[in-house]
Amino acid sequence: EVQLVQSGAEVKKPGESLKISCKGSGYSFTSYWIGWVRQMPGKGLEWMGIIYPGDSDTRYSPSFQGQVTISADKSISTAYLQWSSLKASDTAMYYCARHVFPHYYYYGMDVWGQGTTVTVSS
Amino acid sequence: QSALTQPASVSGSPGQSITISCTGTSSDVGSYNLVSWYQQHPGKAPKLMIYEGSKRPSGVSNRFSGSKSGNTASLTISGLQAEDEADYYCCSYAGSSGIFGGGTKLTVL
Repeated sequence: EVQLVQSGAEVKKPGESLKISCKGSGYSFTSYWIGWVRQMPGKGLEWMGIIYPGDSDTRYSPSFQGQVTISADKSISTAYLQWSSLKASDTAMYYCARHVFPHYYYYGMDVWGQGTTVTVSS
Repeated sequence: QSALTQPASVSGSPGQSITISCTGTSSDVGSYNLVSWYQQHPGKAPKLMIYEGSKRPSGVSNRFSGSKSGNTASLTISGLQAEDEADYYCCSYAGSSGIFGGGTKLTVL
């Protein structure tokens, strides 16, 4: 079964760092782009960025460039989303998702993780 | 980079058809036929309903269809059913970055 399993909920303070994970299984992890999507409480989906685990090629939305870091460790089939200094406005649900076709990312995301809730509060 | 424009809400009765629009620009929706559509029920992860403009993933009902005209993509749901009540999002690409629509809440009356 193709699936993405994300790390558990996090509660952090402003200024702290955080790295959440997304582990793929059941398919060739290195061949499919993985995307990260933010959903703030009661709001819509926001495209954050993507990574190709095969060579760690990464693209960011202009809105998130410099605010987060996307990385991957292909040896353990895991993608990451990282913050160096969290803000209260980072409070949201974060989803990872696999793209439909190997090697390409324009077509859509067909396999989604269960989501990771991040709460940032003093 | 502004979100693609979707109506905030649409509604329909069981058995009817509804269409949700997704308006962008010539730099995103209008550039290629690459719009995807997602369904999201409360508290759940999004689910891909349409990819590459008009293609359905395996397991998605043929009641769902996608199309595009100019800078506007559309999702049509025919034979509305109670379980179709959810939020729907479109997604397109501008250069190497993706962009979602603001989302549409579908109510089945």
